[in-house]
Amino acid sequence: AQSVTQLDSQVPVFEEAPVELRCNYSSSVSVYLFWYVQYPNQGLQLLLKYLSGSTLVKGINGFEAEFNKSQTSFHLRKPSVHISDTAEYFCAVSPLSGNTGKLIFGQGTTLQVKP
Amino acid sequence: DVKVTQSSRYLVKRTGEKVFLECVQDMDHENMFWYRQDPGLGLRLIYFSYDVKMKEKGDIPEGYSVSREKKERFSLILESASTNQTSMYLCASIAGGSPGGELFFGEGSRLTVL
Repeated sequence: AQSVTQLDSQVPVFEEAPVELRCNYSSSVSVYLFWYVQYPNQGLQLLLKYLSGSTLVKGINGFEAEFNKSQTSFHLRKPSVHISDTAEYFCAVSPLSGNTGKLIFGQGTTLQVKP
Repeated sequence: DVKVTQSSRYLVKRTGEKVFLECVQDMDHENMFWYRQDPGLGLRLIYFSYDVKMKEKGDIPEGYSVSREKKERFSLILESASTNQTSMYLCASIAGGSPGGELFFGEGSRLTVL
């Protein structure tokens, strides 16, 4: 079985400051790793994903994440945030084999960007 | 533009009513999912389907059922709504055979049960 823990429920940050949203996971098998974003009153959309290869992955809107296998983490970062980044962010994992699209999500982190 | 459409964005129902939440995707995806989203709990899988007339229970299926009569449509049914089913419901789809692929979500249906 897999589980995902997002270590911060809310992260307030000022505009143009850097931000890191933390995600740890637990799994007895190898997994794919994802970050999804949910803007207010919208569904979720894919921000980035790690499947294999380079542990640093880049996504949309200037976000990036680093996969750390030894620490079972997949933290999301952005060097300079904008007001428009205010949203809820979800970390998720999926086993390499098995049912396609059956993701296990973390609890979510609300990023609040202040002017 | 690919799309997952949930028919109702906001619903208010009374305890004991039967509730239908409809979801349609136009991407010819084989796999469809219903998630429930609650503050502090993230998304929890209710039911999923990998083919027409096929369904499998997720992590929290109690109190729910589903129907998939056509490939593009996946319905969530609350046979007798209860107040603890007040929540945001999200439908999603993905092409079959793509475990690392992108899950496409609808905009959600916010259900309030009084």
